Amino acid sequence: GNSVTQMEGPVTLSEEAFLTINCTYTATGYPSLFWYVQYPGEGLQLLLKATKADDKGSNKGFEATYRKETTSFHLEKGSVQVSDSAVYFCALRLLQTGANNLFFGTGTRLTVIP
Amino acid sequence: ETGVTQSPTHLIKTRGQQVTLRCSSQSGHNTVSWYQQALGQGPQFIFQYYREEENGRGNFPPRFSGLQFPNYSSELNVNALELDDSALYLCASSRDPGNEQFFGPGTRLTVL
Repeated sequence: GNSVTQMEGPVTLSEEAFLTINCTYTATGYPSLFWYVQYPGEGLQLLLKATKADDKGSNKGFEATYRKETTSFHLEKGSVQVSDSAVYFCALRLLQTGANNLFFGTGTRLTVIP
Repeated sequence: ETGVTQSPTHLIKTRGQQVTLRCSSQSGHNTVSWYQQALGQGPQFIFQYYREEENGRGNFPPRFSGLQFPNYSSELNVNALELDDSALYLCASSRDPGNEQFFGPGTRLTVL
């Protein structure tokens, strides 16, 4: 089947610390990979994506590289800010299925303290 | 450009009742997907509508049903509510089934 496994949270970091949130996946086909962010009281927002092996998605200082050999898509940021506090979801999508629906991990809550 | 909107924001129902949730898609989008996000979990795919037809369904029972209208807005209906149906229901629209999904803020349903 198709599934995403994320690093358990919550994660608490001091401002300017380095962030890594691990994500691995299982897929029956060749997926596209995504990171979504959910700020308090808001809906999901696409943070970054990668559609093929070795692609690097990046946005707002966050990066993730599609590693087919390790079936991973770990999220990193070199220096987090208080405003990065949110829940982060790793997700995959298979274009072969009719609905092209997203499969999400359970989310990782990040809190950044000043 | 108006984003995806959902109504109501919050809803409280009792077991056995029926509920209808509404979603207005972003301008230019013809596809709407619905997800259920239980507390502390990731969203789970319920179903998708593309040009007024169901275009795929996740592992949810038939008491979860939907509609899409000619203006591409959509409804999610849940019959015979159970306590486990308490969740945040997210709607996402896209230009077509293969494109990026844009999410609304969700409807928080509580079943007592």
